[in-house]
Amino acid sequence: NAGVTQTPKFQVLKTGQSMTLQCAQDMNHNSMYWYRQDPGMGLRLIYYSASEGTTDKGEVPNGYNVSRLNKREFSLRLESAAPSQTSVYFCASSEAQGQQYFGPGTRLTVT
Amino acid sequence: ILNVEQSPQSLHVQEGDSTNFTCSFPSSNFYALHWYRWETAKSPEALFVMTLNGDEKKKGRISATLNTKEGYSYLYIKGSQPEDSATYLCAFKPLGVNKLIFGSGTRLLVRP
Repeated sequence: NAGVTQTPKFQVLKTGQSMTLQCAQDMNHNSMYWYRQDPGMGLRLIYYSASEGTTDKGEVPNGYNVSRLNKREFSLRLESAAPSQTSVYFCASSEAQGQQYFGPGTRLTVT
Repeated sequence: ILNVEQSPQSLHVQEGDSTNFTCSFPSSNFYALHWYRWETAKSPEALFVMTLNGDEKKKGRISATLNTKEGYSYLYIKGSQPEDSATYLCAFKPLGVNKLIFGSGTRLLVRP
């Protein structure tokens, strides 16, 4: 089992460019999550999907969109990147009431 | 706004010291409290998921307690080792909501 995988691992964007961060899990989990991690701020939830076909906003959704493509995959899109979106992005999955399993992270820099 | 607070923010101890940190969370609408260990340049990994008031969990030298009535959990590390150096995150799961609210973590550094 690969667990939770994320691509790419690193990305540099110019302000205004768009990109999609991909996440997939092979644990048959219903719930998937996107977080960003900034120094001194812990993990902040961007969007989550409690089950296939549903998505909900987290604490910091502005500037992002998500797609729950199927049960395995949950992508995060930045339509017009801004320097404030420079961060490390983590995808996670869980069964509804259980621990979360995290991917390796994507380090994004927006110049 | 649901707030999860952790203290201290950072902690430096000597190898062999025992240490503990605190997580405070809302005492209403409680469903679960999670603890995660997060080493530098890696991903967070779950230590404990606690759901019952008075719960105590243990994994090796690390243990945790839970008080849902007053809204706090303690994480204890006995005989700290350099490999225990990491950020320890707690996360609160409210009833009826399928998401976690994370604290900002306690960064532990264990000096050899």
